[in-house]
Parts: sequence; C-alpha cells; structure tokens
Amino acid sequence: DIQMTQSPSTLSASVGDRVTITCRASQSISNWLAWYQQKPGKAPKLLIYKASSLQSGVPSRFSGSGSGTEFTLTISSLQPDDFATYYCQRYNDYLHAFGQGTKLEIK
Amino acid sequence: QVQLVQSGAEVKKPGASVKVSCKASGYTFSSYAMHWVRQAPGQRLEWMGWINTGNGDTRYSQNFQGRVSITRDTSASTAYMEVNSLRSEDTAVYYCARENRGFGEDYWGQGTLVTVSS
Repeated sequence: DIQMTQSPSTLSASVGDRVTITCRASQSISNWLAWYQQKPGKAPKLLIYKASSLQSGVPSRFSGSGSGTEFTLTISSLQPDDFATYYCQRYNDYLHAFGQGTKLEIK
Repeated sequence: QVQLVQSGAEVKKPGASVKVSCKASGYTFSSYAMHWVRQAPGQRLEWMGWINTGNGDTRYSQNFQGRVSITRDTSASTAYMEVNSLRSEDTAVYYCARENRGFGEDYWGQGTLVTVSS
C-alpha cells in the first residue's frame, strides 16, 4: 500500500499567519490527493481535491499544490475558524488512505 | 440537498457484531460510491472500505479485510457497514462518505459512535 505521511503533526500559529502543511506519498499518486478539515466532534470537510482544486464554498485563503509524491496545503492568512485538524488523503486507486493528521493550534 | 443520515450510537460486547446504516437523500444513490471511515477516540481518520452502489462491488483496507462487510440496498438508498468479532479497539466513530468520482469524499454522514465494552 502507498503510505501517506504528513508534517508537522502539530503546528502552532497566530491569526493572520501564513501556514503550510506537507503531505508525502511513498509512491507517485499523480494529483489524486484531497485535503480535509476536521473540528472536534464533527465530520471531516472536503477543502481541496485533485491536489489543487478548491471545493465549492471553501474560502480562497486555502490552496493546495503538488503532484507525484509531495503536496502542500497552504492557508494564506489564518482566521479563528481555521484552528482544526487537517488530513490529506490519496485516492489514486481503490484504496483511499489518510495521512496521520496535522493539528493546527493557536499560538 | 445531499444528506447522509447514519443510525444511532451502539454499545456492544466484545465478540459481538454491529451494523451501521447510512441513508442517502438528495441525489441518485447508485451513481456515487460510498466509503466508510472510522476514528478512534483522539486518533486519526482510518479509511475502511467502499462500495460501488451501482453494482455492489466492494474494496476493503487490508486492516479490515475479512472482518468488515459493506453492503447496500438501492431501493432504500442506504449503505451498511458491519463489523464482526468486535474488540475494544473497535470503539470509534464510524462515518459514511459519498465519493464524487475523482473529486474526493464530498459529503459525510454525522458519524455513529460504536462502543465496545464488557
């Protein structure tokens, strides 16, 4: 199976900061990567699909990039509502595996 | 509007089975695959498997192969996920999620807490 590794596991930042989360695949997955946001007690929410396409209704401060094995999620200017856990997910084949998650905390 | 509504919380004893349902509305059920994901308390999301709601084909994570079964009832627009031989480590919130082919899992159920305890 292709493994997904996110970094960092925890990220402390302030409102207004620009932050980047990285996700690496153990083999190439082309651009079949999604990013999700999850808040405590809630279901995940799709933010980005196909590595860089913004899901409808998601603020434009979120962006994704990358292809092959290395991907990033960037939040250009953190808002209070953005403090949550973020997961990448590959969906290049029948097996949709998640990364281990990155918890974005208030500094 | 698209909605996925899951069945309620369950408490089971070790060794028992549990079957969670996910009723879809607001779209053509058999046109979108349904995935199941679980999350143990304080842990990461764990992808379990999916079903092609059109023809019933299934795929499972190796971690769950043989112990998990995903089925569907197209007449009821409902997908099901059953876990057998429950153990305490299966205590988790179980989610269903619709796959918009090529676009990731765009709609999720509210989650079903399954607690395994003697």
